[in-house]
Amino acid sequence: EIVLTQSPGTLSLSPGERATLSCRASQSVSSSYLAWYQQKPGQAPRLLIYGASSRATGIPDRFSGSGSGTDFTLTISRLEPEDFAVYYCQQYGSSPPTFGPGTKVDIK
Amino acid sequence: QVQLQESGPGLVKPSQTLSLTCTVSGGSISSGGYYWSWIRQHPGKGLEWIGYIYYSGSTYYNPSLKSRVTISVDTSKNQFSLKLSSVTAADTAVYYCARDMRLGVDYWGQGTLVTVSS
Repeated sequence: EIVLTQSPGTLSLSPGERATLSCRASQSVSSSYLAWYQQKPGQAPRLLIYGASSRATGIPDRFSGSGSGTDFTLTISRLEPEDFAVYYCQQYGSSPPTFGPGTKVDIK
Repeated sequence: QVQLQESGPGLVKPSQTLSLTCTVSGGSISSGGYYWSWIRQHPGKGLEWIGYIYYSGSTYYNPSLKSRVTISVDTSKNQFSLKLSSVTAADTAVYYCARDMRLGVDYWGQGTLVTVSS
């Protein structure tokens, strides 16, 4: 099973700042099979990025994904108030699919 | 717009079987191309993928739960279901049904909290 590690655990930033979230895999993951989700309290996760860098339908272009192999990054170029949430990465490259533990982006 | 809705008991006794159903609207399970999944989230914790079923009935389960999980599909009702046997307090979680395009989960149900307690 591929283990995903996300860092930092918590990111404290102000609206308008840039957020850079990391997801590291214990084994190489095909870029086609790395996804990012946003989850707000009491809500289901929402798909942001699939295939490491493709934005899901309706996702603003301030969200971008990059990376390959074992290191992937989610970048939020300018934080909006609605972006403060928990972010998870997920890999499908090896069964079973696994999720990272999440990065919480909170207001500084 | 695809919508998914979980239904089932919110309280299950230890050693019994947890049973949930997901009703899909706005799209047909039979149309193919997607994997219909169950994912859970322990209170205040991260996400754990339980398993999926394809419209044909083929399934894949997380090895960590495989011995206790059964996922089935009823295409006539546009529903799929989860059964998890021999539950313990460790199975207390929010259970989500979801549409999985194998590149990401693009539609999720709202989630249902299942508590295992006597």
